[in-house]
Parts: sequence; C-alpha cells; structure tokens
Amino acid sequence: DSGVTQTPKHLITATGQRVTLRCSPRSGDLSVYWYQQSLDQGLQFLIQYYNGEERAKGNILERFSAQQFPDLHSELNLSSLELGDSALYFCASSVVAEFTDTQYFGPGTRLTVL
Amino acid sequence: GQQVMQIPQYQHVQEGEDFTTYCNSSTTLSNIQWYKQRPGGHPVFLIQLVKSGEVKKQKRLTFQFGEAKKNSSLHITATQTTDVGTYFCAGRGSARQLTFGSGTQLTVLP
Repeated sequence: DSGVTQTPKHLITATGQRVTLRCSPRSGDLSVYWYQQSLDQGLQFLIQYYNGEERAKGNILERFSAQQFPDLHSELNLSSLELGDSALYFCASSVVAEFTDTQYFGPGTRLTVL
Repeated sequence: GQQVMQIPQYQHVQEGEDFTTYCNSSTTLSNIQWYKQRPGGHPVFLIQLVKSGEVKKQKRLTFQFGEAKKNSSLHITATQTTDVGTYFCAGRGSARQLTFGSGTQLTVLP
C-alpha cells in the first residue's frame, strides 16, 4: 500500500459524458501527478500540481482538466468522453516538486467509455 | 520532444535464467528512474540513477546508467516467479516531467 488513494476504482460511462476522478496523496506529500495508461500508449504524464498550483503539463487534452485543493487532494475532470479515453488513470504523489523525487502511485481508476 | 525507447517489449524466461531490459533516450537525461508494475497493480518505484556510468544493485537486480547518460539497463540474475511484471524506465531530460518508456513485460515460467 503506497498511501495514495484513488476513487472510484472502476468507472463505466458513455461517450460524451463527464467524469471526475479523485486522488488523495500520501500524508505530507505536496506534489500530485496524473498519468494515463492505455494498452497502446504506455504510461503518459498528464499534469502535475504542487501545493495547489499547476507545476508541469504533459500530454493532457483540452477536454481534461485538473485541480489541487487546499487539503492537497486532487481531482481530474474528463469531459466529452470518447472511446479512446478508456484507460487506467493513475495518480502519484511526492514530497517535493522536482521529478527527481520518488513518486508513489495510487491503485488507479479504470475508466471504460462505452 | 524527448523520447524514451525500451526493449524488448516482452520477455519470457525460464525460472533461474537471467533477464535484461534496455532503455534508450533521444536526449541526454539528468536522471533515470525504474519502476515495476505487477499484473493488475500500480507502478512501484525501484531506484533512481543520477551519475554518468552509475551502477546500483538491489539483491538480484543491477541497474546501470550509461556514460553518456542516454541509456540505462536493468539486469535480473536468476529470475524468480516473484519477478513477474512490467518494468518501466522513466527519464528526465530538459523537460520537467518524467518520460516513461513503453515497458518490458516479463513472464517467468516455473
């Protein structure tokens, strides 16, 4: 158990819908990262927040957005969902902002878009 | 942009055989990390390499960072069934974020 929690574990929805994925980092970690893992694309970095502020942006679509709240939990919002958005979404956390820091991954949310 | 290639994509070995996965970056890396993901699980951090030519060992696992800091390898000696999973390298270059390789899926046959 990494100490990072993600909800829900599974999510099944239809194309065009909007969903919110939630992540709580390990106690004391200020940085949260979101990744998408699909069979054909591997592990893709989406976005990073550090202490409430956006720190780095990866291959995140405009239909996706995220935020980190004062209690440091984070939410990833996915809208206008397409079949290709079906994937595992991981959240990771670390103590500091730099990517040299060890990242602890949560169990992931499996999103299925029908 | 930065690309990290990892080979092989799949590897089947008999228990007791050795295993190696290789990681190559299109650009010089400031550091490289290795993660292991068990089937149905999440990536778990194994190690980080920072220095040119660095070699680190964890029991049967040996990690190397190339002299030019553009490649890395993970070698497992005498594989066990508990080594099953996907091994990812992740490199950080000029961009702030880690770029993950596509992973090597290791199957160990008993």
